[in-house]
Amino acid sequence: DQQVKQNSPSLSVQEGRISILNCDYTNSMFDYFLWYKKYPAEGPTFLISISSIKDKNEDGRFTVFLNKSAKHLSLHIVPSQPGDSAVYFCAANVQGGSEKLVFGKGTKLTVNP
Amino acid sequence: NAGVTQTPKFQVLKTGQSMTLQCAQDMNHEYMSWYRQDPGMGLRLIHYSVGAGITDQGEVPNGYNVSRSTTEDFPLRLLSAAPSQTSVYFCASRGWGVNEKLFFGSGTQLSVL
Repeated sequence: DQQVKQNSPSLSVQEGRISILNCDYTNSMFDYFLWYKKYPAEGPTFLISISSIKDKNEDGRFTVFLNKSAKHLSLHIVPSQPGDSAVYFCAANVQGGSEKLVFGKGTKLTVNP
Repeated sequence: NAGVTQTPKFQVLKTGQSMTLQCAQDMNHEYMSWYRQDPGMGLRLIHYSVGAGITDQGEVPNGYNVSRSTTEDFPLRLLSAAPSQTSVYFCASRGWGVNEKLFFGSGTQLSVL
């Protein structure tokens, strides 16, 4: 049973445009969400997170939106740059509870110059 | 600051062989974990530890053994390697608090023939 779903295996956008990566979750107990970025032959690195008490968190070019009623979050990258080309993982956790961070399968973003 | 260090980076085993993947962190993190990444499967938690002497199972623990004798080290042992254990393995650590971000090592590419 996949609790965190990233239904788009890949996404291709032009440099300068917006990239939108989507993530859905099924476990209503999840209340903290994180995005990680992974380049080939490297470990994932933390990008941005959001708590369920918020519906938006922004950090420079990266914004994460959370829609709790739809159990959906999205990562917006504006403007997209070729260096953003990577695999993006969505992850979810339960605050004050589980030690087990659950990851989605990832979306490979390609930003074309 | 080295962060999370994994060795070896690459390993080829024959079915039935045993080996230990090493992981060390120098950030004084209490929490450490092991993930495996397979194509189309995302990151799946194998085992984790919340401190020296304390370990617990993740989503896919079978065939793996862990121990935590020091805060710094969290080795992952493959008892009798199987082709299904061919994967990329990542060690990760974080500070106290379930919403602290995970820091990942650069990974170990393991092939079991």
